[in-house]
Amino acid sequence: DTGVSQDPRHKITKRGQNVTFRCDPISEHNRLYWYRQTLGQGPEFLTYFQNEAQLEKSRLLSDRFSAERPKGSFSTLEIQRTEQGDSAMYLCASSYVGGARDTQYFGPGTRLTVL
Amino acid sequence: KNQVEQSPQSLIILEGKNCTLQCNYTVSPFSNLRWYKQDTGRGPVSLTIMTFSENTKSNGRYTATLDADTKQSSLHITASQLSDSASYICVVSDYNTDKLIFGTGTRLQVFP
Repeated sequence: DTGVSQDPRHKITKRGQNVTFRCDPISEHNRLYWYRQTLGQGPEFLTYFQNEAQLEKSRLLSDRFSAERPKGSFSTLEIQRTEQGDSAMYLCASSYVGGARDTQYFGPGTRLTVL
Repeated sequence: KNQVEQSPQSLIILEGKNCTLQCNYTVSPFSNLRWYKQDTGRGPVSLTIMTFSENTKSNGRYTATLDADTKQSSLHITASQLSDSASYICVVSDYNTDKLIFGTGTRLQVFP
């Protein structure tokens, strides 16, 4: 499978715990995005990387959230001291910037439930 | 106010029927407009992508149209199938920021 993969697919955690999600983009893609999606809503932008550089962070990304893409390949999104409001689907997408159209390909998402 | 508004919020049709989903946007200038299909519990999958100079784009039974003057787009689904049941999300790319602005989607249910 050469698409975007995310792990885990589902995560249930207790409030106050830390969680970490992983995203493996399509191998030749240089951009990687993280989004959050709550039920009945479209995805909301959180942050994105071009290669290993984190170029932008949304104000939705509080200081409890941190994302890394250390070698410009896979990325991790960590949420510290989780709150019930963090319950959502976390989507990763990747794209290649440089072509005529920057189509973002999405992974299957990680569904987080905070109890 | 959301910069990308979709209607209807939800839609139920019978298998084999056609339907049209609407998207109105205020993002300006924009570089492209996309339609994504999202199955429940899955990530969105790209259906079509159109630049401001394109009026229509087809992908099998899916046909998207774009009127950049009125800032409207539609997604027409022909001869619907049960597997078309999903959310359809209109996404506009902001030319200045390169950000994708997502609509809240239209939830389509196709019944036999």
